[in-house]
Amino acid sequence: NAGVTQTPKFQVLKTGQSMTLQCAQDMNHEYMSWYRQDPGMGLRLIHYSVGAGITDQGEVPNGYNVSRSTTEDFPLRLLSAAPSQTSVYFCASRADRGLGYTFGSGTRLTVV
Amino acid sequence: RKEVEQDPGPFNVPEGATVAFNCTYSNSASQSFFWYRQDCRKEPKLLMSVYSSGNEDGRFTAQLNRASQYISLLIRDSKLSDSATYLCVVNRNNQGGKLIFGQGTELSVKP
Repeated sequence: NAGVTQTPKFQVLKTGQSMTLQCAQDMNHEYMSWYRQDPGMGLRLIHYSVGAGITDQGEVPNGYNVSRSTTEDFPLRLLSAAPSQTSVYFCASRADRGLGYTFGSGTRLTVV
Repeated sequence: RKEVEQDPGPFNVPEGATVAFNCTYSNSASQSFFWYRQDCRKEPKLLMSVYSSGNEDGRFTAQLNRASQYISLLIRDSKLSDSATYLCVVNRNNQGGKLIFGQGTELSVKP
């Protein structure tokens, strides 16, 4: 099993550009989440999903969209990139709500 | 007030020392609790779940006090390889996948 795979690992965007961060898991996990991590702020939840077709907002959802058309994939879309979205983004999945998450290796995004 | 609070540290300890991390959470509906470890510029990795009865995994012991809304992690006989940031995590199970992370406590173990 590959676990949780995130692509790309690094990305530089110009202000106003849009892009999609990809996340895929091959463990048949129902629960998936996107977090961003900034210095001094810790990990903050952007969006999460409890199964295919079901998504909900986390703590910092503005400027991001998600969809969950399959169990395996949970892409994160930046609609119009802003410098404030410069961060490290982590995707995570877990099998059951009582269990811990497995994280992907992250995407380092810089918006200039 | 943050939902999950930790002392950010850093904790600088010599090899072989015992070190304890504390964490408090504000939402009494929280149901599941975890400790994660994060190495510099890497993804967080699950260290252990925390149960009401307390649990131990080798040199690591986790405790939960629901009445005080307090979680702890004890590391005995610290190794250089224990140097990392330790993240306290809580989950309100009535909100499905919503795991909330503390800011983390940095540990540096010196020779």
